[in-house]
Amino acid sequence: DIVMTQSPDSLAVSLGERATINCKSSQSVLYSSNNKNYLAWYQQKPGQPPKLLIYWASTRESGVPDRFSGSGSGTDFTLTISSLQAEDVAVYYCQQYYSTPQIFGPGTKVDIK
Amino acid sequence: EVQLVQSGAELKKPGESLKISCKGSGYTFTSYWIGWVRQMPGKGLEWMGIIYPGDSDLRYSPSFRGQVTISADKSISTVYLQWSSLKASDTAMYYCARHVEVATISAFDIWGQGTMVTVSS
Repeated sequence: DIVMTQSPDSLAVSLGERATINCKSSQSVLYSSNNKNYLAWYQQKPGQPPKLLIYWASTRESGVPDRFSGSGSGTDFTLTISSLQAEDVAVYYCQQYYSTPQIFGPGTKVDIK
Repeated sequence: EVQLVQSGAELKKPGESLKISCKGSGYTFTSYWIGWVRQMPGKGLEWMGIIYPGDSDLRYSPSFRGQVTISADKSISTVYLQWSSLKASDTAMYYCARHVEVATISAFDIWGQGTMVTVSS
């Protein structure tokens, strides 16, 4: 199985400031035949199901604000919130879907400083 | 509107059986993979398995294979997750979710509201 790690476990950022979350996979999730990274990011707020933010490592899901962006390739990925808003307080998970089981990372909790 | 609607919360005793459901609507049900995700209280997301309702192709996580059964009834656009003998450690929120791309194993874009399963004597 591919192992997913995230850092940090939690972070607190001032409103309007940048938040950066890192995700690392134990093996590459880049599929050479289509040059796509099989990596997604989700946001989960308390009492709600997760919400897809980013897939194919950098494709923003429809309706997701453009302050959310994904980058990276191979084994190292980053989710960036360019200007943190109060409604962004949540736990963020990365997930690889290169192979089954499609493991989620352990999550990163984002709070307001 | 594309949506997945799950069955209601369950309170069961250890050793009992259970089948929870996830009904899709607003899209071609047989053309998208659907999966199940477990979230134990206060914990992260665990991928359990996926099914392609078009032909019932199944993929299980090794952690859950033999512990649960995933199935689909395409005639009523519904996917199921079942246990034959529940344990207290099965207490969790269970989400169904649909893959974002047609006929392709990909990310989960549409999520059900979740079904809370509580197993207690």
